[in-house]
Amino acid sequence: AQSVTQPDIHITVSEGASLELRCNYSYGATPYLFWYVQSPGQGLQLLLKYFSGDTLVQGIKGFEAEFKRSQSSFNLRKPSVHWSDAAEYFCAVGHMEYGNKLVFGAGTILRVKS
Amino acid sequence: NAGVTQTPKFQVLKTGQSMTLQCAQDMNHEYMSWYRQDPGMGLRLIHYSVGAGITDQGEVPNGYNVSRSTTEDFPLRLLSAAPSQTSVYFCASRVTPGTRSYNSPLHFGNGTRLTVT
Repeated sequence: AQSVTQPDIHITVSEGASLELRCNYSYGATPYLFWYVQSPGQGLQLLLKYFSGDTLVQGIKGFEAEFKRSQSSFNLRKPSVHWSDAAEYFCAVGHMEYGNKLVFGAGTILRVKS
Repeated sequence: NAGVTQTPKFQVLKTGQSMTLQCAQDMNHEYMSWYRQDPGMGLRLIHYSVGAGITDQGEVPNGYNVSRSTTEDFPLRLLSAAPSQTSVYFCASRVTPGTRSYNSPLHFGNGTRLTVT
């Protein structure tokens, strides 16, 4: 069965430091990959998505993610974190074989130290 | 530009009570879905609908009922609430299903926090 793993439950970084959030998936074929962000008390907002083509995708708020087929990974990065980036981040995957269903990872909570 | 609207924002129920969580979207999206969010488990799909009159089960459908009489609305019914249904519920929608609907992003409501005592 398809699955999505986000190995880090919590991550704390200092403001201005770089960030990498990990996401690994288990699928039979290359899936469609998404990163969402959830601020406290809010719904999820799409940061970026990968379907095909260039494996480095740019998103909103200065985030980027790189798809690595050999590692079944889609890690999210940001060169310099701002205090407003503190939130929970979810990786999600979908594929035409599984119809309309998106599978979400368990989430990573990002804390930013000033 | 309302997007996806969920009501209520908070609800407390006693075990055995029933209630309906409301979800409405104004983007003419044919696909709508309900997720529950629990700590350490991410979001799990409860039910979804690909258009008016069409619904299907997701990963965790037991104890929940849905209907889709209009494109705009997709209510979620708890038939007899149980403490295990204490969670945050999200409604989400996306563009018209088709050959490429599986790669279109979901638009989320702000959630309903439900506590069952």
